[in-house]
Amino acid sequence: DAMVIQNPRYQVTQFGKPVTLSCSQTLNHNVMYWYQQKSSQAPKLLFHYYDKDFNNEADTPDNFQSRRPNTSFCFLDIRSPGLGDAAMYLCATSRDWATNEKLFFGSGTQLSVL
Amino acid sequence: GQQLNQSPQSMFIQEGEDVSMNCTSSSIFNTWLWYKQDPGEGPVLLIALYKAGELTSNGRLTAQFGITRKDSFLNISASIPSDVGIYFCAGQLYQGGSEKLVFGKGTKLTVNP
Repeated sequence: DAMVIQNPRYQVTQFGKPVTLSCSQTLNHNVMYWYQQKSSQAPKLLFHYYDKDFNNEADTPDNFQSRRPNTSFCFLDIRSPGLGDAAMYLCATSRDWATNEKLFFGSGTQLSVL
Repeated sequence: GQQLNQSPQSMFIQEGEDVSMNCTSSSIFNTWLWYKQDPGEGPVLLIALYKAGELTSNGRLTAQFGITRKDSFLNISASIPSDVGIYFCAGQLYQGGSEKLVFGKGTKLTVNP
């Protein structure tokens, strides 16, 4: 059974139209991450939540925001998607934010911007 | 920032052949993780390595944590068509008061039946 679930699998939005991607987990992990992955590239960390504490990466654009209303759910909000934001968005979880913790990924949401 | 040099970038092999790929860095890592990603899917964890010199197997896959803690390799024996995908290494290190996970750029594997 899937432990990190992302919805939808495919999302199409219009240039400048806000979009929200969702992630849920059944692992009861403390940490949830959002990664952006463009074609043939490695995943790039956007931000993570340790419990309710939000940690933004220094180079993540302000256009990207996140919410974590409870342990199980985390959302990625793109306020004004541009063509360059078309990518696979991966949610991941880990039990803790420490060395030796494994990351478990969801299946991703493929975002297209028209 | 830290970089992981993953090679080769792509491989084209015949079914039944063995495969080897590796990741190197100038930085010292505490953990190495190897992931496989199928097209349109998220990465799936294959093997996790926690100690220098550690050699771990998962079926036909074997990975090692380098003695210097700056490298790791992944071997796949007797490849089959379903081994096709992109393999990522990821190294974890402690820097600037925080844990960092750094990904390699991936090795794209094609297996010809």
